[in-house]
Amino acid sequence: GNSVTQMEGPVTLSEEAFLTINCTYTATGYPSLFWYVQYPGEGLQLLLKATKADDKGSNKGFEATYRKETTSFHLEKGSVQVSDSAVYFCALSERSSGNTPLVFGKGTRLSVIA
Amino acid sequence: DVKVTQSSRYLVKRTGEKVFLECVQDMDHENMFWYRQDPGLGLRLIYFSYDVKMKEKGDIPEGYSVSREKKERFSLILESASTNQTSMYLCASIGTGSAYEQYFGPGTRLTVT
Repeated sequence: GNSVTQMEGPVTLSEEAFLTINCTYTATGYPSLFWYVQYPGEGLQLLLKATKADDKGSNKGFEATYRKETTSFHLEKGSVQVSDSAVYFCALSERSSGNTPLVFGKGTRLSVIA
Repeated sequence: DVKVTQSSRYLVKRTGEKVFLECVQDMDHENMFWYRQDPGLGLRLIYFSYDVKMKEKGDIPEGYSVSREKKERFSLILESASTNQTSMYLCASIGTGSAYEQYFGPGTRLTVT
C-alpha cells in the first residue's frame, strides 16, 4: 500500500539556520504530494503541494520539489524563524484530484530558538 | 472564510461511555474524513464519507462508527469508550474536483479514564 516516511524529530535549529526535512514515499501510480503544518494547539494547514513530477511547491519561504526518480519530496527553507516552530507532516494522495484520504508521515517537530 | 468546526476542543469521558464527536463544515464539501493523531504515529484514517449517508472504513475503524445524515455534518461515535482511544481527533473536508486542499478542524483532545 501507499506510505510516507519522513525524518524523525525533534529538530532544533537556531534562527536563520537552513532547514531540510526529508520525506520519501511509496505509491502506485502518480500521487499528489503535500506538506502540512500544525502550529501548537491548532489543526493542520496546507503549507504547499505538488501534483506531478518536477513540480515545485512553495509558500512562506518553504519549498519542496516532487522527485519521481527518488520518490522524494523534501521540505526546505533557507532561513527559519521562531514562528516556524511547529509539527510538519508530509502526505500523499493517490488520485490526482486529491479527494481521496491522505496518507501521512509520522510528523517532524521543529523548534527554532532565538 | 473556510471553516471546519469540531464540537469540543477537550473532552473527558469514562470507560464504557458512548461518545459523540461532531464535525461541521460550511464549504458544501462532499468529502469528509476523521483521523486520529498520536505521538510517533502521525495521523491515521478512521472513517471517511463521499456523500450523505455514505461511509467507508479507513485504516483503523475498530471501535468507531460514523454518521453522515447531512452534507455539512460528519459525526464520529465511540460506542463504548476505552482508554486506548485517548487521542487527538481531527476532522477534515474537501470538495470533489477542488484544488487539492483538505481543510482541517482544530481537533478534539479526548481523554478516556
